[in-house]
This record gives sequence, C-alpha cells and structure tokens, in this order.
Amino acid sequence: KQEVTQIPAALSVPEGENLVLNCSFTDSAIYNLQWFRQDPGKGLTSLLLIQSSQREQTSGRLNASLDKSSGRSTLYIAASQPGDSATYLCAVEDDYKLSFGAGTTVTVRA
Amino acid sequence: GAGVSQSPSNKVTEKGKDVELRCDPISGHTALYWYRQSLGQGLEFLIYFQGNSAPDKSGLPSDRFSAERTGGSVSTLTIQRTQQEDSAVYLCASTLTRDRASEQYFGPGTRLTVT
Repeated sequence: KQEVTQIPAALSVPEGENLVLNCSFTDSAIYNLQWFRQDPGKGLTSLLLIQSSQREQTSGRLNASLDKSSGRSTLYIAASQPGDSATYLCAVEDDYKLSFGAGTTVTVRA
Repeated sequence: GAGVSQSPSNKVTEKGKDVELRCDPISGHTALYWYRQSLGQGLEFLIYFQGNSAPDKSGLPSDRFSAERTGGSVSTLTIQRTQQEDSAVYLCASTLTRDRASEQYFGPGTRLTVT
C-alpha cells in the first residue's frame, strides 16, 4: 500500500520568505504526482502535476521537483505572500487513484 | 467553464438514515472519483468510474456505501444506515481522460454530519 508523508506538518514564515514543502512516498511505481492547495472549508485546487517521466514543473512562483527513484518531491514557493496561507497536499497516482499525504499547513505572516 | 459541482454542500442527518450525495463532473470528463476527508483519516479514495462502470470500488469502507454513475456524467454516492463515523467531507473529482497525465479537478465537497 502506498504511503505518502509530508514534512513539516505546519510552517509559519514572514512574508517574502521562500517556502519549501517536502513529500515522500514509499512505492516509486507512480504515474504522476500532483500538488494541491486547500483553503479552510473548501475543496482542493490543483497547483502542479508532474508526470513520472518529468523531473520538475513550474508555474509562476511555484516550482515542484520529483525524484521518483528516491520517492521524493519538493514544492518551492518563492517570495511568499499572506495569500499563500493554506494547506498544501501532495498526492501520487497509481492504479488511477490518488494517495494523499496529510498536508502541510502554511501561515505567511504579514 | 464550470467546474465540478457537488450537492448538497452540507448535510446533517440522524444516525440510521440514508443519504445521497451528488456530483456533477466537468462536461466531457470521462473519469470520476469519490474521496472522503475526515479528521482522523485524512483524504482517502472511495471509488473510481470510467464512463458508467466502476473498475475500482476498493475504497468503499463497507457495504452500506454504494455509488452509481448514469449517462457518463452525474454520479450519486449513497450511504445507507448512516453511522457517526461516516461524518466527513465527501469530495468528488473528474479527469478528462484515462490518460495518467490528466489532472484531477475537485469539487467543493459535501460536509456530512451524522448526529
């Protein structure tokens, strides 16, 4: 069974600092990895999808890397803003379904 | 365009009652997924539909849970004889194709509270 772990569980930074969120998974036979953002009481918003053959994806201030062989992904958020405060979830796809980590709750202080 | 929609947004029911949760996927999306998010368990997969068939029901926690999809579009998740441990947010997602490069797009969820 795929196990996904996210470290740290919570993170608080001053505005402008770069964020580094880590995700690890136990079974490297994944098809893709997706990073999501969840605001309190809301659904999930897809941020980035990295296919298993890719090593990174970028969108604006967000960059995600994937090292499939070691079972790791990192999400970098540059120059954080208070609007980046949310819970960030990592999910890996195998057999069509997503297995999720518990998330990292980020607070960006103004 | 319209995203994934779910109804109701909130549902409070008494223990032992049946509930139906509805999901409208993005138009043209062939694959549909149900997940459950609860405090103790995080986000867990329940069932996957490709068209109207469900090749993977492995995540349904008990035989009180069932789901169907009609016309390759709307899906209904039914929970019979609800229990307090069924209280959670039920999320629906859809993807355009079975291609594993497709992102899963999530709806806002239905918050179910069993009293």
